[in-house]
Amino acid sequence: DAGVIQSPRHEVTEMGQEVTLRCKPISGHNSLFWYRQTMMRGLELLIYFNNNVPIDDSGMPEDRFSAKMPNASFSTLKIQPSEPRDSAVYFCASSRTENTEAFFGQGTRLTVV
Amino acid sequence: AQSVTQPDIHITVSEGASLELRCNYSYGATPYLFWYVQSPGQGLQLLLKYFSGDTLVQGIKGFEAEFKRSQSSFNLRKPSVHWSDAAEYFCAVGGGAQKLVFGQGTRLTINP
Repeated sequence: DAGVIQSPRHEVTEMGQEVTLRCKPISGHNSLFWYRQTMMRGLELLIYFNNNVPIDDSGMPEDRFSAKMPNASFSTLKIQPSEPRDSAVYFCASSRTENTEAFFGQGTRLTVV
Repeated sequence: AQSVTQPDIHITVSEGASLELRCNYSYGATPYLFWYVQSPGQGLQLLLKYFSGDTLVQGIKGFEAEFKRSQSSFNLRKPSVHWSDAAEYFCAVGGGAQKLVFGQGTRLTINP
């Protein structure tokens, strides 16, 4: 298996633009997680899905952030409109269940200027 | 609520020396515990995990960790570090239907 695949690896965008981050989880994994990593706040869970259903989105910072999982093999995290404080590395991870080990993608480094 | 504390933000050890990274957790039941490693510009890689059974668990790259319920700890150890072990290390806890919670990380520097 290729592991968790995220795209793009790097994204630079202007403030106010819409940004869409993409994730393909490992086949057969039922849970998918979106994390944000910054120097100040470390790793923060934004949202997680179980069987394509959002279970906990309490970590989503604002209404500007939204996430979808239309099927078992694809998820998106969208920021609209983006702001400079959204600059961070965004990781997607998947696991067989909610509580087994999570496998992480390489991350998307987002820079909003 | 569950939480994880990694008391050491940054540790420096000499190559060949032993290593212990501390992790303390707060959780209401028997936790699932994990250690991950992150090299610069990379994602997190699982080093080892504890779910149940033997409290001393072996992981990849020569790492091990010991679950001590009485101390609410899950410290990571390695008898002899290599320069390639320089990275950031994260402890995480989960259980039941709850999400994983990560510690703030410990950055490991290796002196030649």
